[in-house]
Amino acid sequence: AQRVTQPEKLLSVFKGAPVELKCNYSYSGSPELFWYVQYSRQRLQLLLRHISRESIKGFTADLNKGETSFHLKKPFAQEEDSAMYYCALGPSGSARQLTFGSGTQLTVLP
Amino acid sequence: GAGVSQSPSNKVTEKGKDVELRCDPISGHTALYWYRQSLGQGLEFLIYFQGNSAPDKSGLPSDRFSAERTGGSVSTLTIQRTQQEDSAVYLCASIRAGDSRAYNEQFFGPGTRLTVL
Repeated sequence: AQRVTQPEKLLSVFKGAPVELKCNYSYSGSPELFWYVQYSRQRLQLLLRHISRESIKGFTADLNKGETSFHLKKPFAQEEDSAMYYCALGPSGSARQLTFGSGTQLTVLP
Repeated sequence: GAGVSQSPSNKVTEKGKDVELRCDPISGHTALYWYRQSLGQGLEFLIYFQGNSAPDKSGLPSDRFSAERTGGSVSTLTIQRTQQEDSAVYLCASIRAGDSRAYNEQFFGPGTRLTVL
C-alpha cells in the first residue's frame, strides 16, 4: 500500500540554523513527490515537486529512491518559514490523488 | 484571478443532522478533489471528479457521504446523519487536468471546518 511517513509532528529550530523535515514513502511504482505548505491562516499550497528539481524560498528536496526518502532542507531557517509542512506522494489510483503525510509543524524561533 | 472557494468556512451541527459543503473550483479546472483533514492526521482523499466522467468515490468513508458536481463546476459534499467522528476540516482542490506527462499542481480552497456536537 502507498504510504507517506513524516516522523516529526513538531520541529523547532532557531533562526539561521539549518532545518530538515523528514519524509519517507512506500510506493511500488515510479513516485512523484511533493511538499505542500500551510502558513498560519492561509490555504494549503504547493512548495515544490521533485520532478522540477527546483529551490523555492531556499528549500530543496532530493528524492532518494534507495532510502525511499524525500527530505526537505533549508540551510538557514527564517522566522517566516514557520508553518505546517506536508509531504505528498502521487499519483494513486484512477483518481491520481495525492497521499499525504500527517504533517510537520515547523517553528523557527528568533 | 480567483482561487478555489469553499463555503461555509465554519459549520457547527448536531449529531444526526445532515450538512452540505460547497466548493467552487478555479474556472477552467476540469478536475476536482475533496479531502478531509482531521486533527493530527494527514489529508485523507474522499472523492474525485474529472470532466464528465463518473466520479471516483473510492475514498468515501461510508455511505453517509456523497458528492456531486453540477455543470462541471461547483461541487457539493453532503454528509448525512453526521457523527462526532466526522468533525474535521474538509478541503477542496482543483487542477488543470490534461497533462499526462506530469502531475498538475493541486490548488486548494480554504476549507470548511465542520464540528459535530
